[in-house]
Parts: sequence; C-alpha cells; structure tokens
Amino acid sequence: GENVEQHPSTLSVQEGDSAVIKCTYSDSASNYFPWYKQELGKRPQLIIDIRSNVGEKKDQRIAVTLNKTAKHFSLHITETQPEDSAVYFCAASGVTGANNLFFGTGTRLTVIP
Amino acid sequence: GAVVSQHPSRVICKSGTSVKIECRSLDFQATTMFWYRQFPKQSLMLMATSNEGSKATYEQGVEKDKFLINHASLTLSTLTVTSAHPEDSSFYICSATGTGRTDTQYFGPGTRLTVL
Repeated sequence: GENVEQHPSTLSVQEGDSAVIKCTYSDSASNYFPWYKQELGKRPQLIIDIRSNVGEKKDQRIAVTLNKTAKHFSLHITETQPEDSAVYFCAASGVTGANNLFFGTGTRLTVIP
Repeated sequence: GAVVSQHPSRVICKSGTSVKIECRSLDFQATTMFWYRQFPKQSLMLMATSNEGSKATYEQGVEKDKFLINHASLTLSTLTVTSAHPEDSSFYICSATGTGRTDTQYFGPGTRLTVL
C-alpha cells in the first residue's frame, strides 16, 4: 500500500518568515495530494491540493509543489502569521480503493510572534 | 458548501458497552464516506471506506466485527464500536466525498470516545 512520510515533525519559525514541509510517497500511481491543517481537537481543514498533472499550485500565501519523478511534494507558507500555528498533514491518494487517502505523520508548526 | 457533521462530539461509556457515532453530509450527497481514527498527537489512520448501499471495505488490521459501519443513505454513515474497551478510546473522524470532485474529502468535527 501507499506509504507517506512527512518532515519535519515540528517546525518553529518567526512571524513573517517562510515555512516548508516536505512529504514523500511510495506509490507512483498516486495522483492526488491534498494538504490539511488541523487545530487542536478540531477537524482537518483542506488548505490546498494538487493533482499529478501539474507541478505547482499557489493560493495567496500557500503554495504546493509536486515532483512526480522523485515522488515528493512540499507545502510552502510565506509571510507566516501566528494563526498559521497548527498541525499540518500531507496525504496521497491510494490505490487500494476509490480515492482513499493515506496521511503523513504530521508537522506541528509554531509561528512565534 | 461541503459540510460534514458528526454526533456525538464526545462520549464516555463503560467497558463492554457499544457506542454509535453518526456522520452526516449536510449539503451534498456523499457517495463515499471514510472513517479514521486518530490517537493524541498522531496522524489519521484510515479504518474503513463505505459506499452507500454497499458493505464497507476495511483496512488491514481493523476488526470488522468490532467496528460496524453502515452507510444506508447518501447523507448518513454510522460507526458502531461494539463491546468497547479502554484501548478503543480515541478520536474518531469521518469524511465524505461528493459526486463532483470525488477525490476531495471533507471532514467531520470528530468524536472523542472515552471508554472507562
């Protein structure tokens, strides 16, 4: 099955700096890669996603890049703000069933004011 | 749009009892619903996938007789934890995909189960 690895597990940045979270996946057939933000005790919220037919996607301060050859994708947050502090999960679509998602282990981002 | 609700948000039960958790899509028809389990400070682990009117597909290692999933309509799926034990205590989250973008999952708010 699909195996998704995510790094780093924790990340602290100063407000205004950029944050980068990286993920790798194992199944070359995966074609959908969403990123979720989860605040403590709350539901994961989709913040951006990318499909395998594009290499980069941007939405305001958030961008995602995908390298299909190397099977890795990254989340970039620019001009970080304290409200960006949360746990971020990457995921990749699996092949064991329709649109199953397999999640990375999460990155706890702390933005220091 | 794409709102998913879950009920209850928290439940405490005694060991040996059964607990039912409901997952509803409020403003769209959910062709597929997913059930995840999340331990503190850990990732989401997919437990099972269910399609309306079909039997759920369970991930390896998930006991289908212990975690009963019913997806009777396009807006409702239920997870019943049977004969719950303290090790079943966890955060259970459902998600759903609709008829449009079938790969985008929208998550419910989760249910925190504590088994005494």
